[in-house]
Formats: sequence, C-alpha cells, structure tokens
Amino acid sequence: LAKTTQPISMDSYEGQEVNITCSHNNIATNDYITWYQQFPSQGPRFIIQGYKTKVTNEVASLFIPADRKSSTLSLPRVSLSDTAVYYCLVGGGDTGRRALTFGSGTRLQVQP
Amino acid sequence: EAGVTQFPSHSVIEKGQTVTLRCDPISGHDNLYWYRRVMGKEIKFLLHFVKESKQDESGMPNNRFLAERTGGTYSTLKVQPAELEDSGVYFCASSQPGQTGITEAFFGQGTRLTVV
Repeated sequence: LAKTTQPISMDSYEGQEVNITCSHNNIATNDYITWYQQFPSQGPRFIIQGYKTKVTNEVASLFIPADRKSSTLSLPRVSLSDTAVYYCLVGGGDTGRRALTFGSGTRLQVQP
Repeated sequence: EAGVTQFPSHSVIEKGQTVTLRCDPISGHDNLYWYRRVMGKEIKFLLHFVKESKQDESGMPNNRFLAERTGGTYSTLKVQPAELEDSGVYFCASSQPGQTGITEAFFGQGTRLTVV
C-alpha cells in the first residue's frame, strides 16, 4: 500500500478553516484516498473518501489534484469538538477486502 | 442501528494469564478486522475475517494470539499467555463490501488491555 506523509500536529482556532495535506507519491492507479478521525478513547471514524478532483460531504471537503500525489482535507469553521487525530489512508480498489494501513496521523488542536 | 461493540472496555490481567476480547460487528457486515495500538505506536492491523474465514492474518504478532469468528457473526481474540508487550488498545472494525474503493470501516470503541 502507498505510504502517506502528513504533518504530526496542527493548531487552529474556533471558526477557522483547517486544511490538512497528505502526501502519497506512490499512489497506485486503483487506490482511493480516505480520511479517518479519531477522538481520545474512541475508535477511528470515517470522514470522507475520494479518487480524484473534489469531494464534499456534510463534514468536510477533500481536494485531490490531477496527479493524485497528494490530497487536502478541508474542515470548514472548526470548533473545539474537532480536536482529534486525523488519518490519511491510501489503498483499496478491491471492495474493502484489504485492511487499512494507518500512519501517525495529524493531531489537530482547536483553541477557543 | 447498533454500531460495532467491543467487550470488555478495559481489562487488567497479570502476565501469563489468558484474556479473551469480543467484538460484535454491525449486523450483516461480512468483513471484520482486528487492529491494535500499542502505547506510543501507530494503529496496526492484526487480522481480517470475511464471514467466518480468515482472509488475512499477516498482522498477528505470534501464536499466543488466536482469533475466531464462529458462524460469521461475532469474533473473539484470545491472548494466551499474555505478556507485558501485549498491553494496548485493541480495535475491532467491520464493513460491507462496496462496489469500489475502500469500503467505509466502522470501528468499535476499543478494548484497553493492560498486562501487569
């Protein structure tokens, strides 16, 4: 599976937009890009998934450039409750029959 | 709809004892995964079931770990005998095969295992 690189930590303030970029230079043609969120003492939670261009849901947006070697998770107007660890994962293309490979994630701290 | 549930939420055992963790996936999910996070490390894959069959067990650390999924429903992960380095949080996840991409995996709250 393609290796991912993302910042270890980020700080933000309530109401700001937060963009977390993930590098995945070795992404394969059939790989998808998926982001998970994890709060302390909880299991990871799916946020968003995309293959190319832009994907938006009620929680976040995912921007993927044409070369797909990176992706950016965008969280609009963060609140204190968005403080969590965010994981970028790359892989798939085989209908979920492959396990997820987690990296170190990005620890986002939202300040009041 | 009930999510993935894990039992117990916490377990403290002595080195050399046996512990059994249980995971109840979301009803109807064929895929069931076990992961664990050892203190200060990344979440690591242990095992993947498709229904009652082990699809991939390449992440199992050694033969002290035994996972089962009777009838393709709930799963158990037994550690026997437990060692200090087995301490960590054990997560279970389930998913239903989708048409494309990584199917969304639903995680349980995890079981925090402490071996003393």
